[in-house]
Amino acid sequence: QKEVEQNSGPLSVPEGAIASLNCTYSDRGSQSFFWYRQYSGKSPELIMFIYSNGDKEDGRFTAQLNKASQYVSLLIRDSQPSDSATYLCAVNILTNNAGNMLTFGGGTRLMVKP
Amino acid sequence: NAGVTQTPKFQVLKTGQSMTLQCAQDMNHNSMYWYRQDPGMGLRLIYYSASEGTTDKGEVPNGYNVSRLNKREFSLRLESAAPSQTSVYFCASSEDRETGELFFGEGSRLTVL
Repeated sequence: QKEVEQNSGPLSVPEGAIASLNCTYSDRGSQSFFWYRQYSGKSPELIMFIYSNGDKEDGRFTAQLNKASQYVSLLIRDSQPSDSATYLCAVNILTNNAGNMLTFGGGTRLMVKP
Repeated sequence: NAGVTQTPKFQVLKTGQSMTLQCAQDMNHNSMYWYRQDPGMGLRLIYYSASEGTTDKGEVPNGYNVSRLNKREFSLRLESAAPSQTSVYFCASSEDRETGELFFGEGSRLTVL
């Protein structure tokens, strides 16, 4: 069983709609959760992080975390064609070693149609 | 700001050949990482270095070796390339464990024939 699961998509939404991206993880020791965006042929970039249950909002983006259900989601409001990309969910298990050992999901491809 | 620089960006190898991917960061980060990305598999950690002088295995270390040459540079070596190592390789660095922000290089596309 993969440790971080995402639907590969593509998820297609019309411009202006809300895009909802979901992610589940298997390790209950996971402490912090991240969403990275990756445009085709480019490297990933961080857009949100969350480590407390509940919602965290940043502009058009909202991350939601439910540790009891081992579920994290990303909502994108007022979706724009420029949001079309692959969204990678990542999970960090803090260990005694320094550094961010992130485990990534396979990514969900989002397509926003004008 | 250069950020994280990887070389080469593209490479074609024959099975059994060796090569080294170079990575350098100019952000004074302690931690550096090598990931590989295959279609539908997301990013998988090969090796990481939490600080200068230390390296540790990640999820998929077999067939690879690394060297943390100094704080800036972290190289990945394939001693005897195999077709299964055809992938896009990303080097990354980070400083802040709380935010989990990894800064990635542009990637190196490796094809092993």
